Amino acid sequence: KQEVTQIPAALSVPEGENLVLNCSFTDSAIYNLQWFRQDPGKGLTSLLLIQSSQREQTSGRLNASLDKSSGRSTLYIAASQPGDSATYLCAVRGSGRRALTFGSGTRLQVQP
Amino acid sequence: NAGVTQTPKFQVLKTGQSMTLQCAQDMNHEYMSWYRQDPGMGLRLIHYSVGAGITDQGEVPNGYNVSRSTTEDFPLRLLSAAPSQTSVYFCASSYSRVMNTEAFFGQGTRLTVV
Repeated sequence: KQEVTQIPAALSVPEGENLVLNCSFTDSAIYNLQWFRQDPGKGLTSLLLIQSSQREQTSGRLNASLDKSSGRSTLYIAASQPGDSATYLCAVRGSGRRALTFGSGTRLQVQP
Repeated sequence: NAGVTQTPKFQVLKTGQSMTLQCAQDMNHEYMSWYRQDPGMGLRLIHYSVGAGITDQGEVPNGYNVSRSTTEDFPLRLLSAAPSQTSVYFCASSYSRVMNTEAFFGQGTRLTVV
């Protein structure tokens, strides 16, 4: 059974810092990995989708990497801003059910 | 684009009551699914559907029913609500003909069972 772990569970940084969020998964047989952002009381907003054959994806200040063989992904946020404060979730899509398996998320607070 | 639309946004039920959570998507996605989100446990799959007329169970299906009569709609039915079903429910869809596709989520339904 696929298990996804996100470390740290919570993170507080001053504005302007570069930061890295970590995601690890136990079964490397995945189709893709997706990073989401969730604001309090809101739904999930897709940030980046990395296919299993890719090593990284970039969107603006966000860069996500994938090392499938070691079961790891990182989300790099450059020059963090207070508006980046949210919970960040990673999810992997495995074979079979085509469903996503989620980590518990990293709650990020960027201090002005 | 509406994307994935869930109704209602909030609901309070009494133990034993039944209700249906609605989910509709306008992207012609074949694959739809329901998740529940509980504190500290991430999102867990309840049921999913790979197309009209086809549904299957996920990780936590007990107490829930689904049906998929059209491509657009995937309602989730709570048969007899229990306090353990207090949660936030999310519906998601993706274009499943190609596996490497992005998942889109609705805004969620916050359900409280008293």
